[in-house]
This record gives sequence, C-alpha cells and structure tokens, in this order.
Amino acid sequence: QKEVEQNSGPLSVPEGAIASLNCTYSDRVSQSFFWYRQYSGKSPELIMSIYSNGDKEDGRFTAQLNKASQYVSLLIRDSQPSDSATYLCAVDISGGYQKVTFGTGTKLQVIP
Amino acid sequence: GAGVSQTPSNKVTEKGKYVELRCDPISGHTALYWYRQSLGQGPEFLIYFQGTGAADDSGLPNDRFFAVRPEGSVSTLKIQRTERGDSAVYLCASSLGQGASPLHFGNGTRLTVT
Repeated sequence: QKEVEQNSGPLSVPEGAIASLNCTYSDRVSQSFFWYRQYSGKSPELIMSIYSNGDKEDGRFTAQLNKASQYVSLLIRDSQPSDSATYLCAVDISGGYQKVTFGTGTKLQVIP
Repeated sequence: GAGVSQTPSNKVTEKGKYVELRCDPISGHTALYWYRQSLGQGPEFLIYFQGTGAADDSGLPNDRFFAVRPEGSVSTLKIQRTERGDSAVYLCASSLGQGASPLHFGNGTRLTVT
C-alpha cells in the first residue's frame, strides 16, 4: 500500500463547477497535510496546508481533513481554466519529524 | 527574498559519468529536501537534512546516490556511475523545519543520461 494515494485522473470539470480532489494516507501518526499545484514543466507550489480535522477555506479553495478516515480533500469552487494543473497531496508521514511524502497527483482539466 | 535556487537547470551526461546537482535554499531555512520526479509521477522523496545532518536518507535508491550539506545551507546531490534510469527532474525544497512548515521548491534540475 502506498503511503499517500491519489487518483491520477484526469478529472474533467466544466468552468464554474466545483472540482473535488481526494487523497488517502496510510500512517495514522501523520499530522501535517498539504496540497500543491503543479503546472506542466513547473515546480510544485503550495496551495493549502491543514493540520486539524475539519475544513479550512482560502478563497476558492477548501481543504478538508478527516484523520479517523485518513482522508484529505481539496475543493475548488468556481473552477477556472487556469486551475488546470496537477494537484499533489503531500503528507508528513513521520508524525512531525518533517518527512513529507507526495502522492502521484491528480490531473485536473477545467473545460471552458 | 530569493527563493530556492538549483543549478544547473539542465544536465546531459553519458551513462557511467559522475554528476553533481546543487541547491541553495531560502536563507534561514534549516530543513532541505531532495526529491526526484519522473514524468507523470509525484515527487519521490530521496533525503532531507535538518541543518548539516541527514535526518532521513531512506529514499536514496542505492549507494550511487549521496548528498551533503556541510555548512547547513547549500546542498549537493551526487550521483556516481549514472544510469539511464536516473534520468528525471531532481527537485530541491527547503522549509523552516519547525512544526508543520510547508516546503518551498526550486525550479529543478532536469537530468538526462544518454
């Protein structure tokens, strides 16, 4: 079982819709969770971080964390074509010792 | 301030040669990470440093790979006897290394082994 799992996609949504991206992780000691966006040929850039159960909102982005289910998600409201990218879920699987492991990423396509 | 700087941006080498990839982290960041990313895959953890010491090198694929950070700032990833399978983008990231600090990535070095 991979430590951090994501559906590779592609996930296609129409412009203006809500895009929902999901991630599961295997280690219950994980404490810190991150979503990165990566455009083709570019490096990952941080979108959101979340550390506590529940929702965290930042503009059009909402991260959701459920530690009991070992599940973290990212919602993108009012999706725009510029949101088309690969979204990487990253987890500190070392329980706070800063070993950050990435999933394979979900490719999102927002159709105009 | 300046972000994470990686040099070179591209490196082409022949199979069997030795290469060094350099990473200059954000000033004040104590944690430094190396990842390797192949096409269509997420970044694969190689090693990370807290200060000068390797806190976790469990991702290094074999003993041909080695990394150093002698003064707790710049790091060099060294690959001996390169193989075609080493071809990938090598990403460096740094963080404050405290609590749940997010990673800040450099632009990567694209390594091609011919």
